[in-house]
Amino acid sequence: QEQLQESGPGLVKPSETLSLTCTVSGGSVSSGSYYWSWIRQPPGKGLEWIGYIYFSRNTNYNPSLKSRVTISVDTSKNQFSLKLSSVTAADTAVYYCARGRHLGRAVGASDLWGQGALVTVSS
Amino acid sequence: ESVLTQSPGTLSLSPGERATLSCRASQSVRSNYLAWYQQKPGQAPRLLISGASSRAPGIPDRFSGSGSGTDFTLTISRLEPEDFAAYYCQQYGSSLTFGGGTKVEIK
Repeated sequence: QEQLQESGPGLVKPSETLSLTCTVSGGSVSSGSYYWSWIRQPPGKGLEWIGYIYFSRNTNYNPSLKSRVTISVDTSKNQFSLKLSSVTAADTAVYYCARGRHLGRAVGASDLWGQGALVTVSS
Repeated sequence: ESVLTQSPGTLSLSPGERATLSCRASQSVRSNYLAWYQQKPGQAPRLLISGASSRAPGIPDRFSGSGSGTDFTLTISRLEPEDFAAYYCQQYGSSLTFGGGTKVEIK
């Protein structure tokens, strides 16, 4: 059964870079059938899409975060990662990794999610 | 970028009642690429509906989605105790965006 698991520091200082990794088990991050997303949720608020990667190198980012976000894949470890630079308290959130089916000219809904990782930005 | 507006923000109902949740897009959603997710406190979202009306595997048939273009609806025909949760719509026809959510609470 395929599963996703986020990992990374739970506390990041303001102005530094937030780094998270999502480990894919039971499946392959190299699969051309899927795309791999990061989504976040500030405490008590709604969901915000951060970005996604497919075919191991093609990316699409939320315009509001694009200048600070990098998503990449490490096929040797079957993982994909998120880097968010110059963080502030507004970046405090639960960060989810998720999988969706790649539909060719479009992407599908996210049918598999990690459990989420809380990242707090504070000095 | 398409903005999704969900209403109402909170829906107070009793078990057994019918719930109707709305999701309105600022521009037409390509190919009705509209999904609905359920989220319970402390849990990740769970996919309920994709393509506006197709239930995900294992989702009970009391959940149904409808709509097209800019107006979409999630209906829960008879609320079960486990259905009280937050619900989010998402469009995936042009990048990805989420609505602000509707909380279904026990009256």
